[in-house]
Amino acid sequence: AQSVTQPDIHITVSEGASLELRCNYSYGATPYLFWYVQSPGQGLQLLLKYFSGDTLVQGIKGFEAEFKRSQSSFNLRKPSVHWSDAAEYFCAVGSGYSTLTFGKGTMLLVSP
Amino acid sequence: DARVTQTPRHKVTEMGQEVTMRCQPILGHNTVFWYRQTMMQGLELLAYFRNRAPLDDSGMPKDRFSAEMPDATLATLKIQPSEPRDSAVYFCASGSPEAFFGQGTRLTVV
Repeated sequence: AQSVTQPDIHITVSEGASLELRCNYSYGATPYLFWYVQSPGQGLQLLLKYFSGDTLVQGIKGFEAEFKRSQSSFNLRKPSVHWSDAAEYFCAVGSGYSTLTFGKGTMLLVSP
Repeated sequence: DARVTQTPRHKVTEMGQEVTMRCQPILGHNTVFWYRQTMMQGLELLAYFRNRAPLDDSGMPKDRFSAEMPDATLATLKIQPSEPRDSAVYFCASGSPEAFFGQGTRLTVV
């Protein structure tokens, strides 16, 4: 069975500092991997996705993520966090023929 | 700007009443999902459809929940009778492998 672990429930980062959100997955085949962001009262917005090829993928809003097969990880990064990045972030795994399995989410707080 | 549209955005209802939530998926998407989000359980998959056929509704309480796609432009999720424990945000999403989410319906059952 596929699963996603986001080990950090909350993370606080100072504005302007770098960010890394962790995601580990369990999947029987080559996974498709995703990061979504959810602002309060909103739906989930797709930040970026990995299907194959280059293991470093770029997304919207200056985010990037790196797929590391050996570590079963797909960590999300941003070099400089803005106050507007405060939100909840979800990692998800799936394939073209299965549903997405989501992690429990990481709440990002940005301090001045 | 293609998007998934959900109605209503908010619904407050009394226990025992029927609730119907509607979703218009992105035109051309043949895969539609219903998710429920709560603080305790996070995001749970309730049901999903491909080409309007239900493929998996194992996440849905069968005795009170039902999901249908009357046509390619409309998906519905119905709860009858509703209970306070159904209070949650219900999301519709369309597309595969990446899913695009609607804004959700916040349901409160009192």
